[in-house]
Amino acid sequence: DGGITQSPKYLFRKEGQNVTLSCEQNLNHDAMYWYRQDPGQGLRLIYYSQIVNDFQKGDIAEGYSVSREKKESFPLTVTSAQKNPTAFYLCASSPGQGLEKLFFGSGTQLSVL
Amino acid sequence: GEDVEQSLFLSVREGDSSVINCTYTDSSSTYLYWYKQEPGAGLQLLTYIFSNMDMKQDQRLTVLLNKKDKHLSLRIADTQTGDSAIYFCAEILIGGYQKVTFGTGTKLQVIP
Repeated sequence: DGGITQSPKYLFRKEGQNVTLSCEQNLNHDAMYWYRQDPGQGLRLIYYSQIVNDFQKGDIAEGYSVSREKKESFPLTVTSAQKNPTAFYLCASSPGQGLEKLFFGSGTQLSVL
Repeated sequence: GEDVEQSLFLSVREGDSSVINCTYTDSSSTYLYWYKQEPGAGLQLLTYIFSNMDMKQDQRLTVLLNKKDKHLSLRIADTQTGDSAIYFCAEILIGGYQKVTFGTGTKLQVIP
């Protein structure tokens, strides 16, 4: 079955540590996205990529980094510069051909130890 | 700029209709979406409406769009306990990058 896989489901970060969240899709979608979800605040866009080897900052990119070396993969690194990383992180993809229906992964809950 | 607002919470009895409301500010929106999020999961697209439409019906779901007032609503008929979730409206603006802006989400609680 096609879909988007995020791992791990739960992740803990120590102070000063970088952590990487995985996102893989087998939908052959061109575009991929990372969102951060905090209670009562909806989803905020961190980074997005419309094509392999290219990505752009979203609304809250500070303290995060991404790469898009393969069409299927769009990992997100939460760096030590992100002072308030505790949140639910959602990866999404879309065909990138106009009507941008987003397909979401099941999310990663990141907490700080 | 764009901003999408929703009330945070709605409680209904099983079998009643639920109406979840959303307001948006950018009149250049072309598509408006409704997503459902169950606890600990990602978002699932429920339905969408093009901005030149007033209404769209899909089984128990009815979407109404009042473009003049920039108001979007989702009506769920015969609400079931399985409908308990957070519902997000979202708008998409046409541009070089078709940015999707999400509302804050409405948590629907269905009382048996």
